Amino acid sequence: GNSVTQMEGPVTLSEEAFLTINCTYTATGYPSLFWYVQYPGEGLQLLLKATKADDKGSNKGFEATYRKETTSFHLEKGSVQVSDSAVYFCALRSSTGFQKLVFGTGTRLLVSP
Amino acid sequence: DVKVTQSSRYLVKRTGEKVFLECVQDMDHENMFWYRQDPGLGLRLIYFSYDVKMKEKGDIPEGYSVSREKKERFSLILESASTNQTSMYLCASSLLLGGGTGELFFGEGSRLTVL
Repeated sequence: GNSVTQMEGPVTLSEEAFLTINCTYTATGYPSLFWYVQYPGEGLQLLLKATKADDKGSNKGFEATYRKETTSFHLEKGSVQVSDSAVYFCALRSSTGFQKLVFGTGTRLLVSP
Repeated sequence: DVKVTQSSRYLVKRTGEKVFLECVQDMDHENMFWYRQDPGLGLRLIYFSYDVKMKEKGDIPEGYSVSREKKERFSLILESASTNQTSMYLCASSLLLGGGTGELFFGEGSRLTVL
């Protein structure tokens, strides 16, 4: 079945450090890939997405590239801020069946001043 | 601004009680979803609905039921709450099944504690 694997957290960084959160997936066909973010006390919101191989999604300084050859969609940011502290979820939507979203377990990011 | 509203942010119930979690969206979305979020397990889909009075089981429907009498409202029901249903419950909606752009709009969550 479809699945998403994320690196375990928490990831602890100082402000202005470089961020990578790894995400790999298993899916049949050609899934769409997403990163959602959950700030403290809030629901999830879409951060970025990519719908086909080699697409790069970007938003708020975050980027992720859909790599079909390595089945990966790693999240990166060049310089994190304290306000980026949140839980980040990688997700996929299958191109077949009911196209439900399948989420990873989430990675907590803590950024200190 | 789009909005998904969950009626209760925090609830404390006793084992065996019937629990209703309500969710309302103002975006005229066809699809609505209930997830539960647990540490180390991420989000797991309980039920979803793609139209009024329609419902489909998700990955973990046991112990839950749902109701969708109106397009904007999707209720999650725990007929007899148990301690293993202590969790954060998230409601979401989207335009098309899975979302035309893949975007689900989430409520802020309802944290349920069953004693």
